[in-house]
Amino acid sequence: NAGVTQTPKFRVLKTGQSMTLLCAQDMNHEYMYWYRQDPGMGLRLIHYSVGEGTTAKGEVPDGYNVSRLKKQNFLLGLESAAPSQTSVYFCASSYSGLENNSPLHFGNGTRLTVT
Amino acid sequence: GDSVTQMEGPVTLSEEAFLTINCTYTATGYPSLFWYVQYPGEGLQLLLKATKADDKGSNKGFEATYRKETTSFHLEKGSVQVSDSAVYFCALQGAQKLVFGQGTRLTINP
Repeated sequence: NAGVTQTPKFRVLKTGQSMTLLCAQDMNHEYMYWYRQDPGMGLRLIHYSVGEGTTAKGEVPDGYNVSRLKKQNFLLGLESAAPSQTSVYFCASSYSGLENNSPLHFGNGTRLTVT
Repeated sequence: GDSVTQMEGPVTLSEEAFLTINCTYTATGYPSLFWYVQYPGEGLQLLLKATKADDKGSNKGFEATYRKETTSFHLEKGSVQVSDSAVYFCALQGAQKLVFGQGTRLTINP
């Protein structure tokens, strides 16, 4: 049981380049989330999904797009990378919504550097 | 809006020392509260949680009590081990998301 798997683990981009981060979970979870982690700022929610085919904006959505075409996958896209998007990105999933105290299961993160 | 404030790190202790990591929160209502732990090179893992006032969450020797009066959820452990070295995050349940504190890096020396 792999849990939540993120690919790639590391990536370096030049300003203006695009890329897609992939998150896959094998726990049949309905909810999926993308967070970014920056020093001294904890984790901030970028986008989330409450089920296949749905997405919603989080706290810091600008410059990112997401898609949830299949229940097990949640893709995070950067169309035109900027240095401010240098961060560690974490994907998470949960069986049900947070109102049910369903714990989040995190992937191991993707470290992205934009030069 | 909802927010979580943790004590500044890093925190360095010797093995078998007593640990406290302070966490206070601001929120409307009485949200569920959580502590997550992040070991080097890994994602966050749920350590413990409390869903209502005066609840005590506990796991792996760690404890935290939901204090409504002081809006706090301090993490404690009576005797830390080298393997407890990690970053600890306090979080509260907001609307459709968890709100995290900035994290506290803990290093335990043998």
